Amino acid sequence: EAGVVQSPRYKIIEKKQPVAFWCNPISGHNTLYWYLQNLGQGPELLIRYENEEAVDDSQLPKDRFSAERLKGVDSTLKIQPAELGDSAVYLCASSLEGSYEQYFGPGTRLTVT
Amino acid sequence: EDQVTQSPEALRLQEGESSSLNCSYTVSGLRGLFWYRQDPGKGPEFLFTLYSAGEEKEKERLKATLTKKESFLHITAPKPEDSATYLCAVRGGTGGFKTIFGAGTRLFVKA
Repeated sequence: EAGVVQSPRYKIIEKKQPVAFWCNPISGHNTLYWYLQNLGQGPELLIRYENEEAVDDSQLPKDRFSAERLKGVDSTLKIQPAELGDSAVYLCASSLEGSYEQYFGPGTRLTVT
Repeated sequence: EDQVTQSPEALRLQEGESSSLNCSYTVSGLRGLFWYRQDPGKGPEFLFTLYSAGEEKEKERLKATLTKKESFLHITAPKPEDSATYLCAVRGGTGGFKTIFGAGTRLFVKA
């Protein structure tokens, strides 16, 4: 069974530019999470989807971050415009309905110069 | 305030030298405590879920235990391939939907 797929794996952009990350969860997993992980820290939740509905986006900086999950499967996280402080690894995870066990993708390492 | 604290930040062991990692937590309405392993450049890999005090789970050289305030990840006779960052997370809070991760313990096992 394929795991969580993320792309790109690495992205380098200049500040003020836009950037987007894509995630394909494990087949059948209706819950999808986006996390941000800084070096030496644990993941921090940005947004959680149940199917296509964002049920927890309280930690998402909505002035520059947006996310969507069309048809309740794939998801895209966007930053516009990017700032130097956005440099981090962006992780996507998914889980089955009713389960708290999350399965993570490899992440996208973003560098903003 | 809901939080998770892991100690030590880093741990260096000789191969075969058993030890324990600690995860202390404060969260209202604990729904579960999770241990993950993270290798450099990869996403966290799920290891265990513990739901209630007194519960224990084992997998190869790893054993996780849970009390009302903390969890331990015991590593018995570690091997170099056990070197990784071990993350602890809790699920709970208002509504039971908040997931909070600790900063992790970086484990180095030398042959």
